[in-house]
Amino acid sequence: AQTVTQSQPEMSVQEAETVTLSCTYDTSESDYYLFWYKQPPSRQMILVIRQEAYKQQNATENRFSVNFQKAAKSFSLKISDSQLGDAAMYFCAYRRLIRDDKIIFGKGTRLHILP
Amino acid sequence: NAGVTQTPKFRILKIGQSMTLQCTQDMNHNYMYWYRQDPGMGLKLIYYSVGAGITDKGEVPNGYNVSRSTTEDFPLRLELAAPSQTSVYFCASRGGDRLTEAFFGQGTRLTVV
Repeated sequence: AQTVTQSQPEMSVQEAETVTLSCTYDTSESDYYLFWYKQPPSRQMILVIRQEAYKQQNATENRFSVNFQKAAKSFSLKISDSQLGDAAMYFCAYRRLIRDDKIIFGKGTRLHILP
Repeated sequence: NAGVTQTPKFRILKIGQSMTLQCTQDMNHNYMYWYRQDPGMGLKLIYYSVGAGITDKGEVPNGYNVSRSTTEDFPLRLELAAPSQTSVYFCASRGGDRLTEAFFGQGTRLTVV
């Protein structure tokens, strides 16, 4: 069974600094998607960034980028120039590319931004 | 542009009561999901559906039932509520394209006392 592990329950970063959130996953599939979702206090789940496993190039979205290491099954999220609005729970998620594609989530990392 | 709508937003149930959490989406998405979020535990999949008339169990289906009679609606039924079902419940949907992400509702906070 696929699993997603986020080993950092909480992290803190100074405003304007850079922070990296870790995620590892376990799968026997060769083609899949990985996602980072943000959940602010409003509870809304917001997609931050996604990565297709067959693409070697790391995805980037403005201040957010990933370090995708397929062989190591690692998918970390880097947030540059951290802003107060980045404070939230961040979830790493995995999805297979077959018909019954369940989305599996990690336990999350709570990110605090220090002013 | 409603997206995924869940009702109610909050609910308190007594042990043994039943209720249905409603979820509807207006994006014509085939895939729909129900998750529960317990503190420090991330999101766990309860049930999911790949299209109208098709449902399947996720990681934690016990105590719940679902139906998918239309593309738009995916209600979650709790029978004989127990304190262990106190949680925040999220419904999500996704289109059939490989690249699409899941869109989530705002969640329902359920307390069983």
